Amino acid sequence: DAGVIQSPRHEVTEMGQEVTLRCKPISGHNSLFWYRQTMMRGLELLIYFNNNVPIDDSGMPEDRFSAKMPNASFSTLKIQPSEPRDSAVYFCASSPGPTGGYTFGSGTRLTVV
Amino acid sequence: GEDVEQSLFLSVREGDSSVINCTYTDSSSTYLYWYKQEPGAGLQLLTYIFSNMDMKQDQRLTVLLNKKDKHLSLRIADTQTGDSAIYFCAEKGNTPLVFGKGTRLSVIA
Repeated sequence: DAGVIQSPRHEVTEMGQEVTLRCKPISGHNSLFWYRQTMMRGLELLIYFNNNVPIDDSGMPEDRFSAKMPNASFSTLKIQPSEPRDSAVYFCASSPGPTGGYTFGSGTRLTVV
Repeated sequence: GEDVEQSLFLSVREGDSSVINCTYTDSSSTYLYWYKQEPGAGLQLLTYIFSNMDMKQDQRLTVLLNKKDKHLSLRIADTQTGDSAIYFCAEKGNTPLVFGKGTRLSVIA
């Protein structure tokens, strides 16, 4: 298995632009999670899906952030418009079920200038 | 809400044992996890312990759980330079994993 695949690995964009981050979970995993990692706040859960359905998006910082999971093998996290304070590493993780450990992707390092 | 606390830094000499500590608040935690993050990489699951266990050993890794005090520790025996990384404690109750801020382990040769 190729693991959780995220793209792109690095993204540099200008303030105000739309950014889309992509994630392919491990086949057969029912749950998908988006986390953001910064030095100040550590790992923050943004949103998670069970069986492609968003369960809790209370961690999404603002309406500028949105996430979708149109099918079991693909999810996107979109920021529109992006701001410099969105600069962080964004991780996607998937899990086979409620008690399973999470498998993380390699992350997308986003820099908004 | 749930909270997980860890010390931020630990420095040890190569060959010594490392002990990374973690406290958590959620008494309904069912599983507790240790993840390792190397520079530029995602988090890698190292080991986990079910909440009804006191100890789990896996090669050089020993996990101790004191459920009464809500205290979890990870001991790495014979620490090597390749063990230098950030170690995250995480707990799972009725919600997704809650992570600590991570302990940066530096191994001095």
